[in-house]
Parts: sequence; structure tokens; C-alpha cells
Amino acid sequence: NAGVTQTPKFQVLKTGQSMTLQCAQDMNHEYMSWYRQDPGMGLRLIHYSVGAGITDQGEVPNGYNVSRSTTEDFPLRLLSAAPSQTSVYFCASSYTASGGADTQYFGPGTRLTVL
Amino acid sequence: GENVEQHPSTLSVQEGDSAVIKCTYSDSASNYFPWYKQELGKRPQLIIDIRSNVGEKKDQRIAVTLNKTAKHFSLHITETQPEDSAVYFCAAARSNSGYALNFGKGTSLLVTP
Repeated sequence: NAGVTQTPKFQVLKTGQSMTLQCAQDMNHEYMSWYRQDPGMGLRLIHYSVGAGITDQGEVPNGYNVSRSTTEDFPLRLLSAAPSQTSVYFCASSYTASGGADTQYFGPGTRLTVL
Repeated sequence: GENVEQHPSTLSVQEGDSAVIKCTYSDSASNYFPWYKQELGKRPQLIIDIRSNVGEKKDQRIAVTLNKTAKHFSLHITETQPEDSAVYFCAAARSNSGYALNFGKGTSLLVTP
């Protein structure tokens, strides 16, 4: 298993550009979530999903859209990038069966810079 | 929403000493409390977790305690080693919210030889 994968690893955008951060997992996890990490702020929840077709907002959802059309993928879209969205973005997933519904597995992260 | 506060923000100990990091949470519906270790430039790694039906859990040199009444939980690392140096994050989550995590702001632990 590849686990949780994220692409790209690094990205530089100009203000106003749009892009999609990709997240995929091959562990058949039902729960997936997106976090951003800024220095001194810890990790903050952007959006999460408890299954295909179901998404909800976290602590800092403004400026981001998500969809969950398949169990495996949970892309994060920036519609109009702003310098305040410069951050490291982590995707995570967890399973729902008796093997451990709550343990979150993190992807390697995407480092995004918005100029 | 959930608010998780973590203290201290930095902690320096000598090798072999113990380290304690404390967190409080606000949402009484939170029922899962993991701790993550993050090394520079890497993803968070789960080191231990505790559920609301348990008061204490131990894994070798690491232990976590939970006080549901006071809404606080703590991480205890004994016999610290230089490789324990990292940033540690506590988090709280609810099972009815997909276990999406609300993190504290982190504690930078430095273990000096």
C-alpha cells in the first residue's frame, strides 16, 4: 500500500490563480480530512469527509472547496489564491472498521507559496 | 467549535529527565485524544492516543492521562533521549465528526545530552 499520497510536493502560485491539491489513499478509508500548518499555529482543520459524497467544514474553510466523489480521492481546491494561503497542507485519512476508526494517517504534505 | 490549548510552547530538559505536556479542550463531546510527534519538514506521526472511556494509557516511555471532568489530558515522557527532540501536538476529536482533529499549537521539546 502507498498509504496517503499528496501531489504536488511543492507549488508556487500568483495571487488570484486557482489550483487543486490532490490527495489519495489506497487503504479504503472512509474518513478523510485536510489541514493547513502555519508556523506557531499548529495544524488547523480546513474540511473533512466521512464518506463519498459527504463533506463538512472545519475551522478555516474560507477560500477552499472540496468534493468527495470516490472513497480514494479528496481534492482540495483553491479558487483564487491569496498570500494568506501560503502554508503546508496535509491530508489525512482514517478507517471505520474495528482495526481503528480513529487513527489518522497523514500524507507527506504539500508546501504552497502564494506570491 | 472545539478549542484545544497546549502548554508549554517550549520545553527544554536534560537527557534522562521526564517531560510533561498539558492540554485542555472545550468540547465535552470530544472522545478521542491523540498525540503527534513532528520532526522538522516531516508529517505528524501518531505516538499515543487515548479514548474517553480510559483514564490512562502507557506505551514504554510514553504515557497519557485523561481527566474528562476537568477536560484536560497530558503527555508524559520518561527517561528522555535526544531523539525525543521534536514538536509535539495534542488533539481532540469526536467520533461523530469523522474523527477530524482539532490540534493544540504544539510544544517544541529539546532534550540536551
